Amino acid sequence: QVQLVQSGAGVQRPGASVKISCQASGYTFTKYSLHWVRQAPGQGLEWMGIINPSGEVTTCAQKFQDRLIMTRDTSTNTHYMELSSLTSEDTAVYYCARDGGHCESDFWGQGILVTVAS
Amino acid sequence: QSALTQPPSASGSPGQSVTISCTGSSSDVGGYNYVSWYQQHPGKAPKLIISEVSKRPSGVPDRFSGSKSGNTASLTVSGLQTEDEADYYCSSYAGSSIYVFGSGTEVTVV
Repeated sequence: QVQLVQSGAGVQRPGASVKISCQASGYTFTKYSLHWVRQAPGQGLEWMGIINPSGEVTTCAQKFQDRLIMTRDTSTNTHYMELSSLTSEDTAVYYCARDGGHCESDFWGQGILVTVAS
Repeated sequence: QSALTQPPSASGSPGQSVTISCTGSSSDVGGYNYVSWYQQHPGKAPKLIISEVSKRPSGVPDRFSGSKSGNTASLTVSGLQTEDEADYYCSSYAGSSIYVFGSGTEVTVV
């Protein structure tokens, strides 16, 4: 069965960077794109970016283009998302989600809370 | 890319139907048949319930249905059940590998 297990995050200081991992299992890692989505407390879902199946192409929402990096490690079937220059507005639950092939997120990680506070 | 517009809330009695709209533009909802819908219960990750405007993934009850007309997509939940009480989000492909979510709708079963 498809599983995405996230780890990382916690409390980060303003100006710092955070790196979240998303370990995939139950499917062929190199055949699917992966989305990153976040949700601020009490707010809606916000699409951040996507990494394509080859891992060679990433696309970010315009608001994150200067500070979001998405990578992956095929030896461990793990995706990574690094967000830099954190502010309090980056406090949110961050999700990874597999793209099922028709522009839908068919499987989601459990989410990781990132709190930005001094 | 602005968020797609959804009503903040919707409600219905058990057994009734509720329809949620998701309005975008010709650059997203109207331009592609790649609208998906997600259900999210408090404290949980979103769950895919509709893909490609109207397709239900395996295991999703047929009480959930989707449609689209022009720049507006809709999700209908028929035969409301208490477990349908949740937040619902639409999402659309917007071209050039860009995606956008709706603002979300809280469904209450009264």
